Parts: sequence; structure tokens; C-alpha cells
Amino acid sequence: DVKVTQSSRYLVKRTGEKVFLECVQDMDHENMFWYRQDPGLGLRLIYFSYDVKMKEKGDIPEGYSVSREKKERFSLILESASTNQTSMYLCASSSWTSGNEQFFGPGTRLTVL
Amino acid sequence: GIQVEQSPPDLILQEGANSTLRCNFSDSVNNLQWFHQNPWGQLINLFYIPSGTKQNGRLSATTVATERYSLLYISSSQTTDSGVYFCAVEPSQHSGGSNYKLTFGKGTLLTVNP
Repeated sequence: DVKVTQSSRYLVKRTGEKVFLECVQDMDHENMFWYRQDPGLGLRLIYFSYDVKMKEKGDIPEGYSVSREKKERFSLILESASTNQTSMYLCASSSWTSGNEQFFGPGTRLTVL
Repeated sequence: GIQVEQSPPDLILQEGANSTLRCNFSDSVNNLQWFHQNPWGQLINLFYIPSGTKQNGRLSATTVATERYSLLYISSSQTTDSGVYFCAVEPSQHSGGSNYKLTFGKGTLLTVNP
């Protein structure tokens, strides 16, 4: 079974802090994704990575950056957290060989005070 | 971009009842997935079904790609089936969409009462 893990289930940070969210997958998938989920807005793609050190912006990249130094790990970075980044963050991974079927991690509920 | 509409938005059932959830999409797709979001927020994969019919226990799904809709059937519902069900699609390249991002519907909130 595909396993996608995220570093924290719940996180509370203060405005202006630098925040790192980590995601690890164990299925050698080449694709990894970061989404955020907000009430009324649904799930929206922040960033996508299709290979080590490769990334593409999604629908809402402003205020975020990403890092993919190893194939299994994809990090989301909030350079200076703001209250409007309070959200549920979901990481996913997939492979082109299985039709881009995406598998999600448990999510991180981030609160920025 | 591609539009994904799910119906009904809310559904309340008694345990043991059957239900059908619908997903309409506005353009051709490479990928269609059904998810169940559990109370802790995790998206659980139910089906990867860009076309055809699949069954897994009490759940089954059918996608008619030519008519741009998918159906999720839940039979003999249980209280543990409660939660939000999402349909998500990846547009086909020829339709002008990106070939990686999933576009999600707004979901169907299912409540199964004992």
C-alpha cells in the first residue's frame, strides 16, 4: 500500500514565523503535490513537483515555497506565516505509470495566530 | 478550467439504506477519483475510475466518460460511512487543462444515522 506521511497533524504558529511542513512517501512516486483545503473554497493546488529539484506553481503559490531535494520528500515552506494561511494542508503523491492516481497524507491543520 | 459538480450536496440516511452520489464534469478527463474524507480530515482513496465500473465491497462506481459523469453507489450504509465524499478529475491534455492537477468537486456530506 502507498503510504504518505506528514510531519505534524496539528501545528500552531505565530504571525511572521517561518513554517516547514514535511511530506514523505514510500512508493518511489515521481510526482508530489501540496494542496490546501478551506471551507467554501475546497481543495486548491499550491505547488507540484514532478522530479527531484523540479517544481511548478499551482493555483495559489503566493506566500509559499517548496523544496524537493530527495525523491521521497517534499517540503512546503511558509516564509513568513500570516493568519490567512490558517488552513488544512494536504500532501499527495502519484506516478505517471499508474495514471496519476493520487494518494493523500493525513493532513496538517495549521493555525497561525 | 474544467468544472466538477457533485450532487446532492447533503444526504441523510438511516443505517442500512442505499444511496447514489453523482459527479458531473464539463470536459474530457484522464483521471477521475472518488475519495472519502474521514472526520480527521484524511482523504481516503475509494476508486480510480476514469471509465467503466468497479466494485469494492459495499461500494461501487461507474464512470461514463462520453457523457461526462460518474456515480458512486453505497449499499447497506453504515454509520462509519458518514463523512464527505469528493469526486476529483484531471483534465485531458487536448482539452487544454494541465495534465497533473486534480480539480475537486465541492463534495457530498453524507450522514448515516443509527
